[in-house]
Parts: sequence; C-alpha cells; structure tokens
Amino acid sequence: GQNIDQPTEMTATEGAIVQINCTYQTSGFNGLFWYQQHAGEAPTFLSYNVLDGLEEKGRFSSFLSRSKGYSYLLLKELQMKDSASYLCAVRDLEGGYNKLIFGAGTRLAVHP
Amino acid sequence: ETGVTQTPRHLVMGMTNKKSLKCEQHLGHNAMYWYKQSAKKPLELMFVYNFKEQTENNSVPSRFSPECPNSSHLFLHLHTLQPEDSALYLCASSQGAGDIEQYFGPGTRLTVT
Repeated sequence: GQNIDQPTEMTATEGAIVQINCTYQTSGFNGLFWYQQHAGEAPTFLSYNVLDGLEEKGRFSSFLSRSKGYSYLLLKELQMKDSASYLCAVRDLEGGYNKLIFGAGTRLAVHP
Repeated sequence: ETGVTQTPRHLVMGMTNKKSLKCEQHLGHNAMYWYKQSAKKPLELMFVYNFKEQTENNSVPSRFSPECPNSSHLFLHLHTLQPEDSALYLCASSQGAGDIEQYFGPGTRLTVT
C-alpha cells in the first residue's frame, strides 16, 4: 500500500533552523515533493527530489534517501512568515499514470 | 487573471441542494485535478483530466460529478451531499498529467448542513 508519515505539529524560534521529516512507503516511487500551505490558502510548490541527496534553494533545502524511504525539509533563518503547514507528497507511478499522494502535513509555528 | 482561480471561495449548501464549483487556469496547462482537503487529513486526489479526458477517478462517490469542457475549465457538480463532504476543495493544473509541478487554486470551502 501507500503511506506517508510526517509529524503533525512543530514549533521553532525565529532565526533558528528546523527540520521536518517525512517517511514514505509506495510501490512505484517516482519523486518526492514538498509544498507549503498557509492557512486558508492554496499549497505552493517548494521542492522536488527524485535522486538521493540534498537540493538547496535559498533558505530551504530538501533531502531524499530512496533506500530508506525518507526525506526532510530544512528551513534556515526562520522567519515569522514561515509559519504554515508543510506537505510532503510522493509521486507514485501506478497503472501507467503518475499520481501525487500527500501526507497529512506538518503545521509549523514560528515564535519570536 | 493569472494562475488558477476557483469560484465560489465559500459555499454553504443543504443536503438536497445542487451546486457547482468552477475552476479556471490561465497557464496554458493540459492537465487539471480536483483534490479534497478535510481537517487534519491528507489531501485526497479525486479526479484527473488530461487534454479534457478523465484519466482518473479515485473511487469518488457519484454525488460528485466532474466536467471538463476544455483544457482551461474544470467543474465539480455537487448533489445530495452529506455533512462529511464538508471540506476544502482544491483545483490544480499542470503542464501534463503527473508533471513535476502542480499549481493550486485557492480552494472552495464547502459546508454541507
């Protein structure tokens, strides 16, 4: 079956670093995404990993280990505006089609 | 208008009503999606359309009926819904089905009374 796990909530301090973990189990893994979703707004694309390793994009980095079924999103120099839900999603190739399977999201609260 | 737009943004309907949600994308994409987001649950894919053809129906009850008249517009027709159908309904589009990046609309917050 398909399963994606990530912590429900995290808190961090402005200026700090936070790591949000995601573990997954899928049969046809074909890439992993991180999306950011502010309350009441649409999810927005943050990163995509399909090969093992670290992808860095400004203050945000995403890491993937396919053998471990594990990814993390690293947020540096946290700002108040980073308070949001972070969704881990796996692209699963099933029946000839790619479909995105989302985790429940991690709600991050950044405090002064 | 740019990106993906959805109307209405909020909708309250009774269980015997019929209503429709509308999604429009201005990105020139060929694939469009409906997702359901319930409180504290993962985003659930409902339907996928690629070049106006439905390529996926994720075991969605027939009280939800999608319509895709062209690659830019996607509708979700609702009838005889249940209170548990109350959720945020998100539309998304991508260049092709299963493409790397999906662009989401702001969603319609639906409450079924």
